[in-house]
Amino acid sequence: QVQLQESGPGLVKPSQTLSLTCTVSGDSIGTGTHYWSWIRQPAGKGLEWLGRIYATGITHQNPSLKSRVTISLDTAKNQFSLKLRSVTAADTAVYYCARDSGWNGGFDHWGQGTLVTVSS
Amino acid sequence: QSVLTQPPSASGTPGQRVAISCSGNNSNIGSNTVSWYQRLPGTAPKLLIYNNNQRPSGVPDRFSGSKSGTSASLAISGLQSDDEADYYCAAWDDSLNGHWVFGGGTKLTVL
Repeated sequence: QVQLQESGPGLVKPSQTLSLTCTVSGDSIGTGTHYWSWIRQPAGKGLEWLGRIYATGITHQNPSLKSRVTISLDTAKNQFSLKLRSVTAADTAVYYCARDSGWNGGFDHWGQGTLVTVSS
Repeated sequence: QSVLTQPPSASGTPGQRVAISCSGNNSNIGSNTVSWYQRLPGTAPKLLIYNNNQRPSGVPDRFSGSKSGTSASLAISGLQSDDEADYYCAAWDDSLNGHWVFGGGTKLTVL
């Protein structure tokens, strides 16, 4: 079955760059059948979509974060990655990666999530 | 503040039917389909409904979705104690080069 697993540092200093990787098994991110998204949830708040990438490298980002977000993929390792620049305490959240089946399919598989805390 | 509007809380007793609303606008729900997610405490969200009213394999038919205009609704019938969770709606928004938007979430309490 399809599984996603987030990995990366759990603590990032303010003004630095948050970097996370999602490793996918049970599906190939290079086949172009799905998008691959990043979503986060700050404690006590709702879900926020950060952006997504397609097999061709095409990306979409949340307009409110666009200037700080970069999403890339490594088809050889079947991974996709998130970089969020210039972080502040407001970026402290549980970060999820998810398989994105498009506008009529939703997010059908999710990673377990990883907590990233921004603090000095 | 979330783009899609949901009530912050809902409640019901075992066996009852509850409905959770999700309101958007013409660039999101009015133009695209709605999906619904259940997030049990300490777990990742799970897809409950996609394409307004379709259930993924394994989701009980107690869960149903509907959409009308710029609003959508998730209904849960035969409420069970393990339905107590947070529920989120989502839709693609065609504005600003396209992006996903979520509702703020509804915490469902089974009394």
